[in-house]
Amino acid sequence: SAVISQKPSRDICQRGTSLTIQCQVDSQVTMMFWYRQQPGQSLTLIATANQGSEATYESGFVIDKFPISRPNLTFSTLTVSNMSPEDSSIYLCSARQGDQPQHFGDGTRLSIL
Amino acid sequence: QKEVEQDPGPLSVPEGAIVSLNCTYSNSAFQYFMWYRQYSRKGPELLMYTYSSGNKEDGRFTAQVDKSSKYISLFIRDSQPSDSATYLCAMSAKWGSQGNLIFGKGTKLSVKP
Repeated sequence: SAVISQKPSRDICQRGTSLTIQCQVDSQVTMMFWYRQQPGQSLTLIATANQGSEATYESGFVIDKFPISRPNLTFSTLTVSNMSPEDSSIYLCSARQGDQPQHFGDGTRLSIL
Repeated sequence: QKEVEQDPGPLSVPEGAIVSLNCTYSNSAFQYFMWYRQYSRKGPELLMYTYSSGNKEDGRFTAQVDKSSKYISLFIRDSQPSDSATYLCAMSAKWGSQGNLIFGKGTKLSVKP
């Protein structure tokens, strides 16, 4: 299965600032996704990162708050914009190649002060 | 009613015990079922995936799906301290649109030596 690396692994940020999280896969993959994992909650899909086009966002998530890029088949970024304490969470990148199941990175642990 | 219900535990068992982890769901369209294991400060790691009803075995792990009852289980035989983790069930209606995985909240398992 693909190896997925995320940067940074954790960060503490001030409210009102933005942070960009990077996701690198060691091989070309068909699809890449971004999830949020809040304490005591299910993993929630934020969006599907589409190569060469705008991301597809799930209900409750908007591009202005979570802009996503996917310039090629191995790399994607998620930006958390204008952060507030409610954005404190773990953000996970996942990838899928063809008909294979999704695999996940280790996540970015984000705290907003 | 949430689409996927999973008892968050925590579940504590002695080493060598048989562990049963379960999820119930409400959407009868779900056909693909997955179990992920998540160690502390790590991303979810795929353990097993199954299609429709029936059993699937992999070493000490057995996944069971009962679509008539909308109930899935993961059994761990001869549990080890290294099995201590949070176990997430996930399911989807279509394999091709696996981006729409719906996750349970996870069950935290502790196996005591």
